[in-house]
Amino acid sequence: EVVLTQSPGTLSLSPGERATLSCRASQSVSNSYLAWYQQKPGQAPRLLIYGASSRATGIPDRFSGSGSGTDFTLTISRLEPEDFAVYFCQQYGSSPRTFGGGTKVEI
Amino acid sequence: EVQLVQSGAEVKKPGESLKISCKGSGYTFTSYWIAWVRQMPGKGLEWMGIIYPGDSDTRYSPSFQGQVTISADKSIATAYVQWSSLKASDTAMYYCAKTFAAGSYDDPFDYWGQGTLVTVSS
Repeated sequence: EVVLTQSPGTLSLSPGERATLSCRASQSVSNSYLAWYQQKPGQAPRLLIYGASSRATGIPDRFSGSGSGTDFTLTISRLEPEDFAVYFCQQYGSSPRTFGGGTKVEI
Repeated sequence: EVQLVQSGAEVKKPGESLKISCKGSGYTFTSYWIAWVRQMPGKGLEWMGIIYPGDSDTRYSPSFQGQVTISADKSIATAYVQWSSLKASDTAMYYCAKTFAAGSYDDPFDYWGQGTLVTVSS
């Protein structure tokens, strides 16, 4: 199975700063079928990015995704207070689908 | 409005059986895959398996194959995951989620249920 490794485990930043989150795959992700989700405490995950770089409906343009092959990045250009959360990447090009371990973005 | 509404929290003893549900509405239930995802306390997300309610085609993660059974009843637009003999290690939040595009297995999950907390303790 494709193992996704996210780094860093925790990112400590201030509102207004830029956040750069990494997701590295153990093998190439087919068709760049890589998604990013945001999860806040007590809530279900929310889809942010799919196809490595396409924003889901209603997602602000401060969120952007990039990458291909085995290396992917989620960038939050200017952190808003509501962006402090845990972020997971997921590949959906190979079975079984797998998630990364998550990056916590904290104030 | 698309909604996935899951059944309520459960407290069970080791060895007991359990079936939790996920009811879809606001979309054509039979046309989208529904997955189950486990989140153990304080941990990450684990893909358990997925079902296509239109024909009950079901796929499992090797980690969950034989441990759970995923099913769906399209007449009532509801998907299920069940355990025949729970273990303490099954304690977790379980989410259902639907795929983004109709008929597509190779898709992310755009709508999620609110989660069902399962606690297994003697």
